[in-house]
Amino acid sequence: DGGITQSPKYLFRKEGQNVTLSCEQNLNHDAMYWYRQDPGQGLRLIYYSQIVNDFQKGDIAEGYSVSREKKESFPLTVTSAQKNPTAFYLCASSYSGSFYEQYFGPGTRLTVT
Amino acid sequence: SQKIEQNSEALNIQEGKTATLTCNYTNYSPAYLQWYRQDPGRGPVFLLLIRENEKEKRKERLKVTFDTTLKQSLFHITASQPADSATYLCALDTNAGKSTFGDGTTLTVKP
Repeated sequence: DGGITQSPKYLFRKEGQNVTLSCEQNLNHDAMYWYRQDPGQGLRLIYYSQIVNDFQKGDIAEGYSVSREKKESFPLTVTSAQKNPTAFYLCASSYSGSFYEQYFGPGTRLTVT
Repeated sequence: SQKIEQNSEALNIQEGKTATLTCNYTNYSPAYLQWYRQDPGRGPVFLLLIRENEKEKRKERLKVTFDTTLKQSLFHITASQPADSATYLCALDTNAGKSTFGDGTTLTVKP
């Protein structure tokens, strides 16, 4: 059964701690993306990767880091430098290039107190 | 500055009517535009993609139009049902393979 998975669904952390969100896909997609969604708002791009071992900053990369060591995996680390980390985080994947839709995971809701 | 605007308020319609959602953009020249559906607490699901040289695209009860002169896309759901209630997001291609999303329009279809 092909798809994209994110874990955990809910995550709670104390302020000042780094936290890593998992994203795995078995769709054989080259491109993967991380978005952040705040209540009542659309998706804002954090980082994206078009190929293994390469990634680019999106519109709101500050306070986040990623790695892309395997085609199937694109973990996101929310660092303590991120001023407002509480949000709904969505991972997506697609074929590389234009004219391809994105497939989204179920999301991780991160709460930092 | 670059901007994507969807219907600013939630849209409420009666079952059986046609819902029309709007996506306007400025300062972009997208090669294509996509529409997604998002249910509360879940990831968006792709619905339709329309290219800049296509005026209209249909899929079952869904229809999308794309007017690059007006810089606008319209998304129609005909014979709407309560199960169509969700938030609908438009996304513009802004750099080969990278998309920018609007804030979405929440549609409620009342029985």
